[in-house]
This record gives sequence, structure tokens and C-alpha cells, in this order.
Amino acid sequence: GAVVSQHPSRVICKSGTSVKIECRSLDFQATTMFWYRQFPKQSLMLMATSNEGSKATYEQGVEKDKFLINHASLTLSTLTVTSAHPEDSSFYICSALAGTGGDEQFFGPGTRLTVL
Amino acid sequence: GQQVMQIPQYQHVQEGEDFTTYCNSSTTLSNIQWYKQRPGGHPVFLIQLVKSGEVKKQKRLTFQFGEAKKNSSLHITATQTTDVGTYFCAAYNFNKFYFGSGTKLNVKP
Repeated sequence: GAVVSQHPSRVICKSGTSVKIECRSLDFQATTMFWYRQFPKQSLMLMATSNEGSKATYEQGVEKDKFLINHASLTLSTLTVTSAHPEDSSFYICSALAGTGGDEQFFGPGTRLTVL
Repeated sequence: GQQVMQIPQYQHVQEGEDFTTYCNSSTTLSNIQWYKQRPGGHPVFLIQLVKSGEVKKQKRLTFQFGEAKKNSSLHITATQTTDVGTYFCAAYNFNKFYFGSGTKLNVKP
């Protein structure tokens, strides 16, 4: 099956710093990628939809200036958490649609962000 | 936004017992997908249901999509310890996925 990588897998940062998370589709081109946030023992919450070459579409309640998304190529989307605060600590997961006509999502392994 | 309810939240079963999780939407869905997430892992795609009343089987797993395309279920027959994890449904509408709250399955050997 299709493989999606995510980097870094774990990051610890100080409050006020910015953190960039990369999501890559390794063996296919992804016109659409999704960014999710998952709190412990909870479901995945869709944050935004990232389309290659266009602005991301953010879900209601998600600050676009706080969570910057860039989908620069068909294999790479990045999420930057700007001026991170402890409440931003969470598990961030990306997924990609293969664009073959199906709607199957391929998930990255996730990034555990801890803001001190 | 899209509301997807999933029950139960937790299910503890003895190995060999059956397990079912249910997913309900407030609106008609284009399709619904099911995922499994092992502890510490990421969601893994299991199946997609598209047609009204559709039933699909994968070995011991049976997936159903309601006639009105508003609800779905996942049934596992004779659970095994390898079935442990959280099962999520994900509703696909308006080019987005909305995940249910998940059902965490624990199987006692």
C-alpha cells in the first residue's frame, strides 16, 4: 500500500517557539492531504484540508495564522505551529489521498508535540 | 460541521466473543470508511462502503452501510487478542472526512 511519512515523530519545544511538521507521500502523488489533531484517548479532529498549489481550507475553530499549512508539491505538505503554547501539545497526524479515484486515506505515523 | 456519533465508547470482551460498533450520522453520507488504530499507532484503513445497504466482509469482520446511508456497523466474529485497538468510522462528505469518536476494544485472553 501507499506510504506516508511524517517528520519529526516527536518534538519537545519551549513555549513561544515555532515547530514545523512535514508530511510526505513516498510512492504516490497526493493532490490532497489532511491534517488532524488527536488528543489522548480521543478521536481525530480534522484541522484543515491541504491542496497542492492552493491555500489550505481550515475547519471552523482552527486558527489559520496559528497553524500554517503549505502544500508546495504533490508529495509534501507542511504544518507549522507558530508561537506554540502548552495547550498546543497534542498528536498531529497527516493523511493523503492517492488521487486514483478512490477515497482511501493513507495516514502518516504522527508527530507527538510537547510544548513546555 | 458533520456530526458522527459512534457507540459504544469502550467494549471489553472475552476472546472468542463477538463485538459490534455502530456509527450514526445526522446527514446522508457519500460513503463511510472504517479504520483501526492500535495503541501508539496511526489509523489504518479497513474498508469503504458506498452503496445503500452494502455489506462487505473481511474474514471475521462484517461491515454494513444502512439503507438511508446514515448509519454503519462493524461486527467482529469470535474476537482474537490481535483485534485489540480503537475502531473509528469516518464519514466522507464534501471532500472531507469526519471521524467518529471511536470504540476502544479490549480482548481478554
